[in-house]
Amino acid sequence: DGGITQSPKYLFRKEGQNVTLSCEQNLNHDAMYWYRQDPGQGLRLIYYSQIVNDFQKGDIAEGYSVSREKKESFPLTVTSAQKNPTAFYLCASSIAGLGEQFFGPGTRLTVL
Amino acid sequence: RKEVEQDPGPFNVPEGATVAFNCTYSNSASQSFFWYRQDCRKEPKLLMSVYSSGNEDGRFTAQLNRASQYISLLIRDSKLSDSATYLCVVTPQSYNFNKFYFGSGTKLNVKP
Repeated sequence: DGGITQSPKYLFRKEGQNVTLSCEQNLNHDAMYWYRQDPGQGLRLIYYSQIVNDFQKGDIAEGYSVSREKKESFPLTVTSAQKNPTAFYLCASSIAGLGEQFFGPGTRLTVL
Repeated sequence: RKEVEQDPGPFNVPEGATVAFNCTYSNSASQSFFWYRQDCRKEPKLLMSVYSSGNEDGRFTAQLNRASQYISLLIRDSKLSDSATYLCVVTPQSYNFNKFYFGSGTKLNVKP
């Protein structure tokens, strides 16, 4: 079955640590995205990528970094510079240029 | 001004009721419109795309009003399982990339 997978489902981090969230898709989509969702809030765009080896900052990129070395993979690193990283992180993909986004099941990050 | 605005609700309705949500968008160049459903602590899932002529899928009807820049979702004969948050999504749809703008969501509670 085609889809998007994210791991881990739950992640706990100590203050000052960097953590990397995984996102993999086998939908052959060109575009991939990372969003953050806080309780009772909408989705806010962190980073997006249209093609391999290219990515752009979204609205709240500070304290985050990404890479896009393969079409299928778009990992997100939450660095110690991110002041308030506790949130629900969602990865999505779409066929660039048309259509809707498909989401992975999300990673819930908690900073202890 | 936000790109997409929704009434956060909650809308509390009895089973069998008809309920309607509206969503307004600010960019008149917006081209594609979607309604997503998000269950508590889960990822958003596409409910339906919204076409210029309006579209219907079972108990759900979506409409687009470009002149007034809003889209609507009508749910007839509400079921307990319709309880969720409904997200309005708008995109300008460039040639090779979609940047998706999400509303904060409207929460629906269907009561027995």
